[in-house]
Amino acid sequence: AQSVAQPEDQVNVAEGNPLTVKCTYSVSGNPYLFWYVQYPNRGLQFLLKYITGDNLVKGSYGFEAEFNKSQTSFHLKKPSALVSDSALYFCAVRDNGEGNTPLVFGKGTRLSVIA
Amino acid sequence: SQTIHQWPATLVQPVGSPLSLECTVEGTSNPNLYWYRQAAGRGLQLLFYSVGIGQISSEVPQNLSASRPQDRQFILSSKKLLLSDSGFYLCAWSPGQGVSPLHFGNGTRLTVT
Repeated sequence: AQSVAQPEDQVNVAEGNPLTVKCTYSVSGNPYLFWYVQYPNRGLQFLLKYITGDNLVKGSYGFEAEFNKSQTSFHLKKPSALVSDSALYFCAVRDNGEGNTPLVFGKGTRLSVIA
Repeated sequence: SQTIHQWPATLVQPVGSPLSLECTVEGTSNPNLYWYRQAAGRGLQLLFYSVGIGQISSEVPQNLSASRPQDRQFILSSKKLLLSDSGFYLCAWSPGQGVSPLHFGNGTRLTVT
């Protein structure tokens, strides 16, 4: 079985400060990992993914995420937060040995960037 | 380029009425299609997914059903809505092959009164 946990319901950060949104996962094999962002009353937008290779993945809007196999984590980061980054962020995982099975999403973390 | 259309954007329906939400994808063929529900602006619950015409997998038994009458069309239905069916319904697609992210529609806000 595959699962993903986002331990923080809410993250608050001041504009210009670095931000981190945490994600840990559990899969039987090797993971495919994704981050999505959702703005109010909109669908989810893809930010970045880890499939294989370099542990540091760069994505849209200056976001990046680091895959850590020993800690089974895939935390989302940004060096300098913007007010416009305020949104709901979702981590998702799929076991790479599970064929076409759907992604499993975390419950989401609400990021609030304060000016 | 590929696009996904989902409608209506908002819907208010009385308890006991039927439901039909439609999702179509353009610019690709044989996509995987998904219906999710999001309650109270939080986590996503996978309702149904389909890897081909007429192939529907149900993740959660409930008051809803899904159909895929055409390759790029995915419909979410109910014969009689319950109050608990209220929520934000999201359709998504991904390519049939490979590891690609899901692409989401803009969602339908359903309120059952």
